[in-house]
Amino acid sequence: QVQLQESGPGLVKPSETLSLTCTVSGGSVSSGSNYWSWIRQPPGKGLEWIGHIYYSGSTNYNPSLKSRVTMSVDTSKNEFSLKLSSVTAADTAVYYCARYYYGSGTKEYFDYWGQGTLVTVSS
Amino acid sequence: DIQMTQSPSSLSASVGDRVTITCRASQSISSYLNWYQQEPGKAPKFLIYAASSLQSGVPSRFSGSGSGTDFTLTISSLQPEDFATYYCQQSYSSPRTFGQGTKLEIK
Repeated sequence: QVQLQESGPGLVKPSETLSLTCTVSGGSVSSGSNYWSWIRQPPGKGLEWIGHIYYSGSTNYNPSLKSRVTMSVDTSKNEFSLKLSSVTAADTAVYYCARYYYGSGTKEYFDYWGQGTLVTVSS
Repeated sequence: DIQMTQSPSSLSASVGDRVTITCRASQSISSYLNWYQQEPGKAPKFLIYAASSLQSGVPSRFSGSGSGTDFTLTISSLQPEDFATYYCQQSYSSPRTFGQGTKLEIK
């Protein structure tokens, strides 16, 4: 059973950089059929895909956040990370890491999720 | 970006009821459509992929249908644990996008 766990500061000051790490257990980030994703959910609102990274380091970011997002992967630690720069109050959200399965045909989906971590942007 | 629009935004129903949630894509997405269930304070749970295929372990009272731009999620006989928020999500193109959610409440 694949498990994901987010970690990082729960409070970030405006204009600073949000940094989160997702540790994967029960599976490998080097698995060829998976991308490793970040998704966020502002309080009381819906889900927004931030982007994902492949074990090779190849990335795909949401254009709405692309200028501020950097993702990285550490296969030796079986973890991947998110950095979001120049944060504002609008970036306050629960941040989830998730596995994106990339199968054959139309089989593409977020099948495993971390429990989520609330990041508040405030001075 | 492909916009995903769910209806209704909220729905009140009783245990045992049959309910249907609709999801419409702003352009054709073939069958690249997934459904998730989210209970308050928890991460989304993956239910259905490729519009109509049930993820392993998901009860058979859940079903999905549709292709192109119009999709539905049906729960045949509501159970107490089904009262949650449901999201559709398209995997046809990047950026991956979700519907705004449908909150299913107890009547």
